[in-house]
Amino acid sequence: QVQLVESGGGVVQPGGSLRLSCATSGFTFNSCSMHWVRQAPGKGLEWVAVISYDGSSKYYADSVKGRFTISRDNSKNTLFLQMNSLSTDDTAVYYCAKGGVATVMAPFDYWGQGTLVPVSS
Amino acid sequence: DIVMTQSPDSLAVSLGERATINCKSSQSVLYSSNNKNYLAWYQQKPGQPPKLLIYWASIRESGVPDRFSGSGSGTDFTLTISSLQAEDVAVYYCQRYYHTPPFTFGPGTKVDIK
Repeated sequence: QVQLVESGGGVVQPGGSLRLSCATSGFTFNSCSMHWVRQAPGKGLEWVAVISYDGSSKYYADSVKGRFTISRDNSKNTLFLQMNSLSTDDTAVYYCAKGGVATVMAPFDYWGQGTLVPVSS
Repeated sequence: DIVMTQSPDSLAVSLGERATINCKSSQSVLYSSNNKNYLAWYQQKPGQPPKLLIYWASIRESGVPDRFSGSGSGTDFTLTISSLQAEDVAVYYCQRYYHTPPFTFGPGTKVDIK
């Protein structure tokens, strides 16, 4: 069955950096676009970033552009999110989500359980 | 920026009654080349990740009960729960996945039992 497991969350100080990972199994990872979505405490869902199946295309929300970098290792079926210059506004649960085969224009059909990133001094 | 709005913010419905949630996109999500609406609905229960319910505006994801249905085209969409069950208490989000990102979510609609 499809599994997505995020890791790497934890308390970080404002201005700090963190790298999230999403280990996947149960589907052909190197054929699918992958996303990061976040949810601040008590708030709605905010799409963060997407990477195409081969890593050639990456898109970001304006709120994280220039600070976050999405990447993937298709040999290890793993998705990453490098987060720099973190602020308290970045405090959220971060979910990885599976996108479409060979396209970024597809619904997110599987989600991980999320990893919490509190940004606090 | 493309904005997704939902109404109402919350609603309470009696068990067995109909629940209707509306979603509006500030720009059309209908792709004329294939006549598909790039609009999805998700359900999120407390403490859980979102779950895909509906895609292409009206196609139920595998395993989703048929009391859930989606309709609409262009900029205006509706999610209907025909007979509300206790397990349907959740927040529901619409999302556009059309063309280039951002793949914006609506603000969510909370559904409770009256």
